[in-house]
Amino acid sequence: DIQLTQSPSSLSASVGDRVTITCRASQDINNYLKWFQQKPGKAPNLLIYSATTLKSGVASRFSGGGFGTDFTLTINSLQPEDFAIYFCQQSYSPPYSFGQGTTLDIK
Amino acid sequence: QVQLQESGPGLVKPSETLSLTCAVSGDSITNYYWSWIRQSPGKGLEWIGYIYYLGNTKYNPSLEGRVTMSVDLPKNQFSLKLSSVAAADTAVYFCAREGGPLAVWGQGILVTVSS
Repeated sequence: DIQLTQSPSSLSASVGDRVTITCRASQDINNYLKWFQQKPGKAPNLLIYSATTLKSGVASRFSGGGFGTDFTLTINSLQPEDFAIYFCQQSYSPPYSFGQGTTLDIK
Repeated sequence: QVQLQESGPGLVKPSETLSLTCAVSGDSITNYYWSWIRQSPGKGLEWIGYIYYLGNTKYNPSLEGRVTMSVDLPKNQFSLKLSSVAAADTAVYFCAREGGPLAVWGQGILVTVSS
């Protein structure tokens, strides 16, 4: 099975900051990586697919990078609505595993 | 716009079978693969498996032997059965549509395993 190691597990930042979350796969997954945002009690929302492609309608301050085993999610100029939990998911090979999640809260 | 809604008992007794249904609106269940995922404080997010409308399935080996998924085409919904549940199966269960940029999840349903 493919393991995804996400870091950091938590992150405190201020409105206007730029933050980066990383996701490392235990083997090459090409670009079969998604990033999701989850708010309490809500369904997770897809932000990025194919590692770098922004889903239509998602704010352009979100961006994804990486290929193979190392991936990043960057949020530029944090907005109040961005404070949430973020997680990565690989869909290269079943079982489609997830990162442990990163909780982004207000400093 | 597609919507997914999970339904089923919120409380299941140990050793019994957990049964959930995901109703799909705004899309045909024949169009994509459909997954079940669960989330618990102790284990984080765990992919349970997926099903295609023709009946093709893929399950997480960690749950293989206890999981069964099925599709109800007339009702445009799909279902999950997890047998011999224990406290470790307590989680929020999500259904989801696969499909790259079209990935969508339901709101989730909390299922507690307790006597």
